[in-house]
Amino acid sequence: AQSVTQLGSHVSVSEGALVLLRCNYSSSVPPYLFWYVQYPNQGLQLLLKYTSAATLVKGINGFEAEFKKSETSFHLTKPSAHMSDAAEYFCAVSSNTGKLIFGQGTTLQVKP
Amino acid sequence: DTAVSQTPKYLVTQMGNDKSIKCEQNLGHDTMYWYKQDSKKFLKIMFSYNNKELIINETVPNRFSPKSPDKAHLNLHINSLELGDSAVYFCASSQGDRDDNEQFFGPGTRLTVL
Repeated sequence: AQSVTQLGSHVSVSEGALVLLRCNYSSSVPPYLFWYVQYPNQGLQLLLKYTSAATLVKGINGFEAEFKKSETSFHLTKPSAHMSDAAEYFCAVSSNTGKLIFGQGTTLQVKP
Repeated sequence: DTAVSQTPKYLVTQMGNDKSIKCEQNLGHDTMYWYKQDSKKFLKIMFSYNNKELIINETVPNRFSPKSPDKAHLNLHINSLELGDSAVYFCASSQGDRDDNEQFFGPGTRLTVL
């Protein structure tokens, strides 16, 4: 069975600091992995996805993630946090029926 | 234009009532989903439809019945509402049900059962 674990339910960074949100996956087949962002009282928006084309994936809003098979990880990073990045972030793995299996989510707080 | 829309945005009702949530997408997608987000923000899929046919039905009580009148609509009807049904329900859509497809989410419907 596929699963995703996000380490750290709450991450706090200062504006301008590096953002690192951790995600580890478990999958018996090559996974398709996603990062979604949820702003307060809104739906989810895709940040980026890994579909085996390249291990370093660039997404919207300056985010990127690196797929590391040896570490079964797909951590999300951004070099410099903005206040507008404060939101809930979800890592997800896709099953062979197209359903998304989400991690527990990480709340990103950005301090001025 | 809103890509995936849901109505209502908020729904407050009493235990035992029956209610429906509607979802419409104007993206031309053929696959639609319902997800439930609980109070701890955990998201879990409930159903998916591809071309109006049920594809995924995740151990959801049979009080929940999805209906897809056409590819652009997927409604969720809930009978005999219980306190534990309180959650945010998200509709989503994608083109096809391949596992690398991006899913587009609606804004959510916050259901509160009193």
